[in-house]
Amino acid sequence: EAQVTQNPRYLITVTGKKLTVTCSQNMNHEYMSWYRQDPGLGLRQIYYSMNVEVTDKGDVPEGYKVSRKEKRNFPLILESPSPNQTSLYFCASSSHVPGQGRNQPQHFGDGTRLSIL
Amino acid sequence: TQLLEQSPQFLSIQEGENLTVYCNSSSVFSSLQWYRQEPGEGPVLLVTVVTGGEVKKLKRLTFQFGDARKDSSLHITAAQPGDTGLYLCAGVDAGGTSYGKLTFGQGTILTVHP
Repeated sequence: EAQVTQNPRYLITVTGKKLTVTCSQNMNHEYMSWYRQDPGLGLRQIYYSMNVEVTDKGDVPEGYKVSRKEKRNFPLILESPSPNQTSLYFCASSSHVPGQGRNQPQHFGDGTRLSIL
Repeated sequence: TQLLEQSPQFLSIQEGENLTVYCNSSSVFSSLQWYRQEPGEGPVLLVTVVTGGEVKKLKRLTFQFGDARKDSSLHITAAQPGDTGLYLCAGVDAGGTSYGKLTFGQGTILTVHP
């Protein structure tokens, strides 16, 4: 089954304790992206990657790191989490840059709800 | 940073009514997408519009991309309770150093009452 898998689904942690949210897709997609979703703000793109070893900043990259060492995985790293990073996070992938392949949608994971105390 | 202003933020209507959601920007996008999201799930793509002036229909949903590719609208005819959800528009950057970057609107929470 084609899917984007995020782990963990829920995490409560404390300020300053490094954490990684993993994202894996099994569709051989080139484009992968991380978003955070906060009430009233919609989704905001954190980082995106158009291929292996190619990553670019979205609108809110501060406090986050990503890597794309292999096509299927795109982990999101919070080196020193802070309470303002408490949010719902989504990873997504698509075969092309969104909109380029008109009929190829972004597939979203089920989300990771992160609480930083 | 490109901005997409989506309005209204909340919409509560009766079954059978029509509604329109707007996404506006001062920036040009190479394409614009509309998503629908249910609670506890990720967004699901409804449509992508690419050409300025393009109109696409999906059953009772009509999507329009502005001539200048800066704005878009989603019109729902005869809304049903099953249309309830969060609707999001997303613009794809037109190119240059930000090619591939996506900007989402704030979302419209639609509630359709039976």
